[in-house]
Amino acid sequence: GAGVSQSPRYKVAKRGQDVALRCDPISGHVSLFWYQQALGQGPEFLTYFQNEAQLDKSGLPSDRFFAERPEGSVSTLKIQRTQQEDSAVYLCASSLGRRGANYGYTFGSGTRLTVV
Amino acid sequence: DQQVKQNSPSLSVQEGRISILNCDYTNSMFDYFLWYKKYPAEGPTFLISISSIKDKNEDGRFTVFLNKSAKHLSLHIVPSQPGDSAVYFCATRGKAGKSTFGDGTTLTVKP
Repeated sequence: GAGVSQSPRYKVAKRGQDVALRCDPISGHVSLFWYQQALGQGPEFLTYFQNEAQLDKSGLPSDRFFAERPEGSVSTLKIQRTQQEDSAVYLCASSLGRRGANYGYTFGSGTRLTVV
Repeated sequence: DQQVKQNSPSLSVQEGRISILNCDYTNSMFDYFLWYKKYPAEGPTFLISISSIKDKNEDGRFTVFLNKSAKHLSLHIVPSQPGDSAVYFCATRGKAGKSTFGDGTTLTVKP
C-alpha cells in the first residue's frame, strides 16, 4: 500500500487479556520499528527489525511484550496479560533502511490501546 | 535521563511571522537529527532532517539549524501558516536507525 497501515485503530482490553497489534509496512521497506507513545510524551522505542531479523529489542518494557516479523513484511506486536500501564498509542514505522536514514520514518496512524 | 529535550511544551505565533522550535540533546553520537510534525489522531510525519556534519538545511519554508558545540537544534518556519499548527517532535537517529524523540512542542499559528 501507499502508507504504513496499523490495525486495529483502537483496542480496549480488560486487564490480564492478551492483545495483538498488526503493522503492514510500506512494500520494500527493509526496516520496521515499534514505538510506544504515552499521553503528552514523545514516542519511545520498543523494537527494531531489519527484514525478518529482530536486531534490537532493548526497549520492550517486560517479557510480556513480544514482536515478530516472520516473512520480513507484516509485523505483530503482542502484549500478554495486559496491565493498565500498557495503555498508550503503539506506533509502527518503516523506512528503506540505512541508506534512507536521512529521510526519516514513515509512521502509521497507530493503535490506541486502553486497558481497563 | 532524557537524551532529547524540548523545553517549551507550547508556542503561539501570528500568521506570517517566524516560528522557532528548539531542542537540546545530550549524546553526541547521532548521525542525523530530524523533525516530525504530528496532527491529532495521526502518526508523526517526517518534515526535515540534518546530518551531524552540517549546520544548516533548508527546505522551502522550513530550515533546521544544528549547533554541535551547544548540542542544540532548532527548526525555523517562515512564514508561519495556520496549517502549520501541530505538535512538532525533535528526534535523533543513530547508526542502527533507532530514533530517540523529545516530548514535543505544540505550535499554534493564529490567523
